[in-house]
Amino acid sequence: NAGVTQTPKFQVLKTGQSMTLQCAQDMNHEYMSWYRQDPGMGLRLIHYSVGAGITDQGEVPNGYNVSRSTTEDFPLRLLSAAPSQTSVYFCASKPARWADTQYFGPGTRLTVL
Amino acid sequence: AQKITQTQPGMFVQEKEAVTLDCTYDTSDPSYGLFWYKQPSSGEMIFLIYQGSYDQQNATEGRYSLNFQKARKSANLVISASQLGDSAMYFCAMRELRDDKIIFGKGTRLHILP
Repeated sequence: NAGVTQTPKFQVLKTGQSMTLQCAQDMNHEYMSWYRQDPGMGLRLIHYSVGAGITDQGEVPNGYNVSRSTTEDFPLRLLSAAPSQTSVYFCASKPARWADTQYFGPGTRLTVL
Repeated sequence: AQKITQTQPGMFVQEKEAVTLDCTYDTSDPSYGLFWYKQPSSGEMIFLIYQGSYDQQNATEGRYSLNFQKARKSANLVISASQLGDSAMYFCAMRELRDDKIIFGKGTRLHILP
């Protein structure tokens, strides 16, 4: 039982490049979410999903796309990276939308030059 | 408007003393949940404690307790007998039942001094 896994752990991009941050969980959790963490800003919700095929926007969705084709996977896509997207990205999951405890992945540190 | 406010950017506390980390929240939803997470220097997010808005008693988990004052809209985390390993960033978060989002505060960095 690996919990919530994220790949890669570190990534450097040039402005305008695209990439996908991967997130997977093996706990059969319905609810998954993506956050970004910037110094002094705490964690801000980017997108979330309450189940396969269902996604919705969080606080800071601009510049990011998500899809949820399976229960296990919730990738985050940056279509055209910008320096403002330099951040640490966390994926999280919980059993269902009303569940209390959310489990976090280890994070991906992204730098956009 | 900020939904979760943590007014203490940083705190220094002597080892073995009790610590209170402040958190106030703003919601009009009568049903909500409040969370505290710990983030050590290694970066992972560790769930500490949860309080539901209808829970009659304050939540406790080992050395952690949540001082829930509903009328004041505050959900302070109390750590008893602090240890050096408690040095970390602490985040308060809230989920409104009408919404699926979990919103975090900006965090408080706690330093435990030997």
